Amino acid sequence: GAGVSQSPRYKVAKRGQDVALRCDPISGHVSLFWYQQALGQGPEFLTYFQNEAQLDKSGLPSDRFFAERPEGSVSTLKIQRTQQEDSAVYLCASSATGGYTEAFFGQGTRLTVV
Amino acid sequence: QKEVEQNSGPLSVPEGAIASLNCTYSDRGSQSFFWYRQYSGKSPELIMSIYSNGDKEDGRFTAQLNKASQYVSLLIRDSQPSDSATYLCAASNDYKLSFGAGTTVTVRA
Repeated sequence: GAGVSQSPRYKVAKRGQDVALRCDPISGHVSLFWYQQALGQGPEFLTYFQNEAQLDKSGLPSDRFFAERPEGSVSTLKIQRTQQEDSAVYLCASSATGGYTEAFFGQGTRLTVV
Repeated sequence: QKEVEQNSGPLSVPEGAIASLNCTYSDRGSQSFFWYRQYSGKSPELIMSIYSNGDKEDGRFTAQLNKASQYVSLLIRDSQPSDSATYLCAASNDYKLSFGAGTTVTVRA
């Protein structure tokens, strides 16, 4: 596709449920990022992949958060045992190369934990 | 203190006027700077990138960078109602983007 595609667009989870969020980056883009955006705030970095390698996961809030990109293309962000504070918009972005380059965002997944 | 600070707004400007948005950053190692536009309920859309000191113009948008002052700005000339959105400033020292909280701009007809 022409842009970064994320699914689902909306997800309502009961507290304690596991969720999986999918990101399909722009074809050929080497770098993939996950960000979390709370209401009224700018996006906060979660994790970074260069191809299939996860080079930085310093922004993941807890060990309940896990991300993978096994074949260097599609990525999944998994949240185990969701809690209310996990409610946010999860944004995926990709860029053509690593470092200093423009990143393009997907539409995001709005997660609501009830 | 956040790594990237923006004037909180909201900023209201009349149609046809210039909207001026400001941003400061704390990491002197930052090399790349970006302005994203985000409409309510939508994802951030890249509108400008700037890497060296000075001005960069693209249509009605001008980005300005002053690394010595750790300051980035965005000017929107001839503001249109369609420019009403939240503008996010981002800085990067390698691959990670650090965002400000955004400035909401309303262009009134």
